[in-house]
Amino acid sequence: DAGITQSPRYKITETGRQVTLMCHQTWSHSYMFWYRQDLGHGLRLIYYSAAADITDKGEVPDGYVVSRSKTENFPLTLESATRSQTSVYFCASSDGGNYGYTFGSGTRLTVV
Amino acid sequence: SQQGEEDPQALSIQEGENATMNCSYKTSINNLQWYRQNSGRGLVHLILIRSNEREKHSGRLRVTLDTSKKSSSLLITASRAADTASYFCAPGGMEYGNKLVFGAGTILRVKS
Repeated sequence: DAGITQSPRYKITETGRQVTLMCHQTWSHSYMFWYRQDLGHGLRLIYYSAAADITDKGEVPDGYVVSRSKTENFPLTLESATRSQTSVYFCASSDGGNYGYTFGSGTRLTVV
Repeated sequence: SQQGEEDPQALSIQEGENATMNCSYKTSINNLQWYRQNSGRGLVHLILIRSNEREKHSGRLRVTLDTSKKSSSLLITASRAADTASYFCAPGGMEYGNKLVFGAGTILRVKS
């Protein structure tokens, strides 16, 4: 199916473990983004990418790593998960300019 | 801050009534976008208004933009229970580095 898909949908992990959240889009959009959403904070930008091999930090990048070797994929890795990273993570893509973002359905991550 | 700020924080209306949400921002924009988020879901792009436009319609949605006041409003006419959601505005453009920063949103509850 065309669109933007995130996996897994739900994830429970232990403190200190590495976990990778996947994001895949089928439109060949240039821009991709990772947000986290926590109660009381709205959505906060973690990292974004303007094209393959170009990434940049957002508002809350600490503890996260991203890569973008292919235009369609933008994985987000938590190198050593902490409880404060328990959140809902949303991936989004855009053609840039005067176009809206398309969001994935989110990954609900719980760090215990 | 690069984000839009929505007002009010929460709004409760009866089905059939109109709902108005406001957005203010701080720097110049190329466009301003509105998104809806149903509980537990990703954001859905509703409408984008360019900086040279004053008003835009999409179905029951009407968006206005006043760049002199750095403000926008979203009007939902004849609201339905299905409009119950959080609504976010996001200013966009080169000044924002082609990335969107979201505020806390307006929580709309439509009672049937």
